[in-house]
Amino acid sequence: QKEVEQNSGPLSVPEGAIASLNCTYSDRVSQSFFWYRQYSGKSPELIMSIYSNGDKEDGRFTAQLNKASQYVSLLIRDSQPSDSATYLCAGRDSNYQLIWGAGTKLIIKP
Amino acid sequence: GAVVSQHPSRVICKSGTSVKIECRSLDFQATTMFWYRQFPKQSLMLMATSNEGSKATYEQGVEKDKFLINHASLTLSTLTVTSAHPEDSSFYICSARSGGLDTEAFFGQGTRLTVV
Repeated sequence: QKEVEQNSGPLSVPEGAIASLNCTYSDRVSQSFFWYRQYSGKSPELIMSIYSNGDKEDGRFTAQLNKASQYVSLLIRDSQPSDSATYLCAGRDSNYQLIWGAGTKLIIKP
Repeated sequence: GAVVSQHPSRVICKSGTSVKIECRSLDFQATTMFWYRQFPKQSLMLMATSNEGSKATYEQGVEKDKFLINHASLTLSTLTVTSAHPEDSSFYICSARSGGLDTEAFFGQGTRLTVV
């Protein structure tokens, strides 16, 4: 099992709909969790961070963390074509080192 | 957020030559800098972690004599790919952190290296 696992996609969502991105993680990943957005040929940019169980909302983005089930998700409401990118899930291990997933490619269709 | 500037954004070099990539924190002091490599459609792979004024810590499988990292000041770290080969062609990304272990690290723009 990969330490941070994501479906590579692509995930295709109509404009205006909710995009749901999921990530599962292993026991090694135990600290805070992050969602990054990466456009093609660009470096990642932080979208959301979440540290405790439950939901965290920021504008159109909601991160959800369930430590018992070892998954973290990102919901994007009112999806826009500009949201089309690869979304990387990452978590910190006990040494605070970031462990990365391979990313899910999201396509928002106008 | 804080700004990390990485240069050059793209470089093409001949096999056997060396290439230097710079990473600068523009508005904060970067006590720790990270160097990543990313192959197409793959995850970011941490190559090394460097703290200002000390030797870099390399991840397993990364050749320290091939990928020279210098973090001589609180605002600048460099990665030199020595004797580059086509298999070193990749997207290299730096990130910098100013605070403690769980503080956010900010990413540079990345460098696309192509070795021909």
